Amino acid sequence: QVPLQESGPGLVKPSETLSLTCSVSVTSINSYYWSWIRKSPGKGLEWLGCFSYPGNIKQNPSLRGRVAMSLDASRNHFYLSLRSVTAADTAVYYCAKGGKSSGWEANFDLWGPGIQVTVSS
Amino acid sequence: ETTLTQSPAFLSATPGDRVTISCKASEDIDDDVNWYQQKPGKPAIFLIQEGTKLIRGVPSRFSGSRFGTDFTLTINNIESEDAAYYFCLQHDNVPFTFGQGTKLEI
Repeated sequence: QVPLQESGPGLVKPSETLSLTCSVSVTSINSYYWSWIRKSPGKGLEWLGCFSYPGNIKQNPSLRGRVAMSLDASRNHFYLSLRSVTAADTAVYYCAKGGKSSGWEANFDLWGPGIQVTVSS
Repeated sequence: ETTLTQSPAFLSATPGDRVTISCKASEDIDDDVNWYQQKPGKPAIFLIQEGTKLIRGVPSRFSGSRFGTDFTLTINNIESEDAAYYFCLQHDNVPFTFGQGTKLEI
């Protein structure tokens, strides 16, 4: 079983909302910081934001508030919503597990394999 | 925002070679740099933490060093399985940022 696995639609229309799920099988999702990261040909790797229970959030200002994240501890799932997408949001999206405490949010020790998302009409 | 300038973008090596990949930070970020290896379609693998600490289970031919804001990943005695994409990450300040990556061909 893959420790982290991203899932969601591979194609999203411009101006709509991109929604992805990260299924976590390796540990309790409550205890760590969880991040979304993307990789595109034009911008390389870009950190989108992180979330930890019960609601500690840090975001990349470049996304101008388009990002929302949440988690469902009962399912051990971590979610991403990116609204008002454009072609520039076409990328491979990854979820990653960080540390337990502030200062270690992005000490990623586990990554998912990634999911390709294309924004196109 | 901290910029990480990673070089080279592409590297070709022969089994047994020693290679180095550089990551230069635009400001002081202490030792908060990690190194990762990624192969196509696979999860990234954590190689080096805090600039120099080898992650458990990673072969000892991988090592990391730091001199001020300059970070280096070294691979000694390269093996064919080391062909991959390598990248650095700074987790000192938000937004966390990455180097542009290095594709290593064996």
